Amino acid sequence: SQQGEEDPQALSIQEGENATMNCSYKTSINNLQWYRQNSGRGLVHLILIRSNEREKHSGRLRVTLDTSKKSSSLLITASRAADTASYFCATVPSGAGSYQLTFGKGTKLSVIP
Amino acid sequence: EAEVAQSPRYKITEKSQAVAFWCDPISGHATLYWYRQILGQGPELLVQFQDESVVDDSQLPKDRFSAERLKGVDSTLKIQPAELGDSAMYLCASMTESTTEAFFGQGTRLTVV
Repeated sequence: SQQGEEDPQALSIQEGENATMNCSYKTSINNLQWYRQNSGRGLVHLILIRSNEREKHSGRLRVTLDTSKKSSSLLITASRAADTASYFCATVPSGAGSYQLTFGKGTKLSVIP
Repeated sequence: EAEVAQSPRYKITEKSQAVAFWCDPISGHATLYWYRQILGQGPELLVQFQDESVVDDSQLPKDRFSAERLKGVDSTLKIQPAELGDSAMYLCASMTESTTEAFFGQGTRLTVV
C-alpha cells in the first residue's frame, strides 16, 4: 500500500522556471523525505523534514510541511534540464523504533531546455 | 562512497521458473528493505528487515516470494514460480537509524516472458 499521493502526476516546464510538487499523506509521521529517480535507476535521497519543522532548504530545493493538513511541497528553483526525473515523497511513521518507509506514486518532471 | 550493491541489474526469465536477487547493504545499516516498482508507479514495500529479523512482510506474496537476511548483512529475494505480473524493478535499500535516510541500489529489472 502507498501512503502518499503526489500532485501533479506529471509536470513539464521550461529551463529556468520553478517547479512545485505536492504530497499528501494519511497517518502521523516522524519525518517526510523527498527522493529523486532518474529513468531506470535507483532512488536518491534529496531532503528530509521532521514533523516539528515547517520549512527546510537545501541548495535549490525548498520543502514545506503542514502536519495539520498532512501535506508537503517540494519547490525546485531555477530548474535545469538535468532536474528531469521522477520525484517521490516518502514518510516514516511516528512511534519509537519504526523505520517503515512508505512512498507515494511520484511526480514526473520534465524540464525543457 | 559506500553504496548498496544489487545483482543482477537485469534478468529475463520464463514464467514458472525460479529467480533470485541479491543485495548487499551499506556496512553497519541494520534496516534493509526490498521494494517492487512497476513502471510509472512508486516503490511498494515487499519486506523490511531489522538485522536478520523480518519487521514487515505484510505485502509480500508469500505463496511465491521469500526473503532472507541470514547473518543480518546481505539479503536474497526469491520468486518461485515467476509469473508474468512479476515483471518490475526490484529495489533494495538500507537505512541508518541515526538519520532515517535510505540509500538505494540500482535495482534489478525483471522481465518475465
